[in-house]
Amino acid sequence: NAGVMQNPRHLVRRRGQEARLRCSPMKGHSHVYWYRQLPEEGLKFMVYLQKENIIDESGMPKERFSAEFPKEGPSILRIQQVVRGDSAAYFCASSPSQTDTQYFGPGTRLTVL
Amino acid sequence: AQRVTQPEKLLSVFKGAPVELKCNYSYSGSPELFWYVQYSRQRLQLLLRHISRESIKGFTADLNKGETSFHLKKPFAQEEDSAMYYCALADSGNTPLVFGKGTRLSVIA
Repeated sequence: NAGVMQNPRHLVRRRGQEARLRCSPMKGHSHVYWYRQLPEEGLKFMVYLQKENIIDESGMPKERFSAEFPKEGPSILRIQQVVRGDSAAYFCASSPSQTDTQYFGPGTRLTVL
Repeated sequence: AQRVTQPEKLLSVFKGAPVELKCNYSYSGSPELFWYVQYSRQRLQLLLRHISRESIKGFTADLNKGETSFHLKKPFAQEEDSAMYYCALADSGNTPLVFGKGTRLSVIA
């Protein structure tokens, strides 16, 4: 099992561009979580998805951010019109159920110029 | 509101010395507590969770509901323990995780 995969590992965008971050969960995992880590901070929950459904998006900014986890393919975290404050490490985690351990991906480091 | 506090940003100890990484939390219910570790150039991984009451790599953590603490301890530090340690809590059901800011442990030979 390859573990949770995230790509790209590093992403550079200019202000106003769109950023798309992809997360492929571990095989057999249907629960995906996205977290953001700002410099010198802990990971902060953004959104929790189960196949084709958003279960909890309480940590996600209301504007410019969206997430999906389609029936086929990876989960996508999309940030429109990026600003410098979006620069952070974005981590994805997956689990086979709501009560099981979350397994983390290596993260995507987004830099907004 | 749920909150996890790790008061030490950096902790340096000598090899063979005891280690205690502090974690305090605020939560009104009965949380589940976790310790995650991130070694250099590796991904974040679960070290232990309080419900399993396991000892992993010599580390233990006891949930003290009276003091709302979940400190991580190891009697004898090893150089390979050097890493970033994050304490986290979750409502029953494991989601979502609320993390502390982390403590960087440096074990000096």
